[in-house]
Amino acid sequence: NAGVMQNPRHLVRRRGQEARLRCSPMKGHSHVYWYRQLPEEGLKFMVYLQKENIIDESGMPKERFSAEFPKEGPSILRIQQVVRGDSAAYFCASSHGHPGELFFGEGSRLTVL
Amino acid sequence: QKEVEQDPGPLSVPEGAIVSLNCTYSNSAFQYFMWYRQYSRKGPELLMYTYSSGNKEDGRFTAQVDKSSKYISLFIRDSQPSDSATYLCAMSPPTGKLIFGQGTTLQVKP
Repeated sequence: NAGVMQNPRHLVRRRGQEARLRCSPMKGHSHVYWYRQLPEEGLKFMVYLQKENIIDESGMPKERFSAEFPKEGPSILRIQQVVRGDSAAYFCASSHGHPGELFFGEGSRLTVL
Repeated sequence: QKEVEQDPGPLSVPEGAIVSLNCTYSNSAFQYFMWYRQYSRKGPELLMYTYSSGNKEDGRFTAQVDKSSKYISLFIRDSQPSDSATYLCAMSPPTGKLIFGQGTTLQVKP
């Protein structure tokens, strides 16, 4: 009964490279959320997706960031041309659609050199 | 003004103490109120959720929501060193995203 699976757990990129973070939701969950957490800060909402649809991307930076949740396969958060300020922990959560029951993965920690 | 305010602490208590963690919010549309626990370098773990106002108890944990005051609380009875973690409040309207507080770091000393 696997939970939310994220990979890679740790990712190191140099400035200007691309980062791809993957999230497989819990079995039966079709709603995926991405959050970013900076040191000593809470979780900041980035994007909410259902299968093949972006529902709310109000927390996504306007440039360089994109997300998808295809019909088959994991959700992907893509960061192009990374900068040092992108260094953070990125968490994925999934749910059936009930806002009171979001379950989080262990996160992907991105370090930009 | 942030939508959700939470005192970051840190909060240090002796083992066995009653811990009170609190958040205030400004958005009247919030209907779902959650508490998550996060250990260092781990993902947030859902502890409790409450719909609308009222109390909810689960073992040593009690969650309270006062919508008239826009104030929520989490009480931990008989606190244990294993409760040492960051506690995050979160809330959402009936549909849409969770908004998190900054988190309160709790240390329970043996």
